[in-house]
Amino acid sequence: GAGVSQSPSNKVTEKGKDVELRCDPISGHTALYWYRQSLGQGLEFLIYFQGNSAPDKSGLPSDRFSAERTGGSVSTLTIQRTQQEDSAVYLCASSRDRADGYTFGSGTRLTVV
Amino acid sequence: QQPVQSPQAVILREGEDAVINCSSSKALYSVHWYRQKHGEAPVFLMILLKGGEQKGHEKISASFNEKKQQSSLYLTASQLSYSGTYFCGTQTDFGYSGGGADGLTFGKGTHLIIQP
Repeated sequence: GAGVSQSPSNKVTEKGKDVELRCDPISGHTALYWYRQSLGQGLEFLIYFQGNSAPDKSGLPSDRFSAERTGGSVSTLTIQRTQQEDSAVYLCASSRDRADGYTFGSGTRLTVV
Repeated sequence: QQPVQSPQAVILREGEDAVINCSSSKALYSVHWYRQKHGEAPVFLMILLKGGEQKGHEKISASFNEKKQQSSLYLTASQLSYSGTYFCGTQTDFGYSGGGADGLTFGKGTHLIIQP
């Protein structure tokens, strides 16, 4: 596609429920990244995919967080047993390769109540 | 480890210049610069790679001192549209061909306000 597409744009969930966030990167971009941004804060790295493999998942905050990428394209970030501190904007980005700038999606605003 | 940005905030009059700095304690493969406006996603401005290559917008200039692991973003003749939060992001140089094998680690950002 023309840009990085994320869905849903907004998600309100009850504490303890599982959520899935989807990212559709720019066609042909081999690298895909997940970040989260809390209100007024900076960008916190979560995980990086090169193709379908994840050479760097050092940023996942706990084992409740997992991500996968299939077909070198769409990625899903799953948060199990959501907690209130998981509330944030989850941003996905993609790039042609590791030596290229990132294009960010518009993000998913997750609110855990 | 998170790169350190300075200053934290800048207020300028339209037409004035600004410099935003970014420093890291690690050997770097690349430095990226992004601008984020309120309620929007970050937008790519420039990438500076180890070895001197640069890619980015024509009207943006930046430098990368590989020995000091420091980068600076230069905004000249600022326009109202330059307002926003500027983030630098760094990738580690692992000392072999695996440079840049990690995701970007971003600084806390520099808030830039341009007044008419």
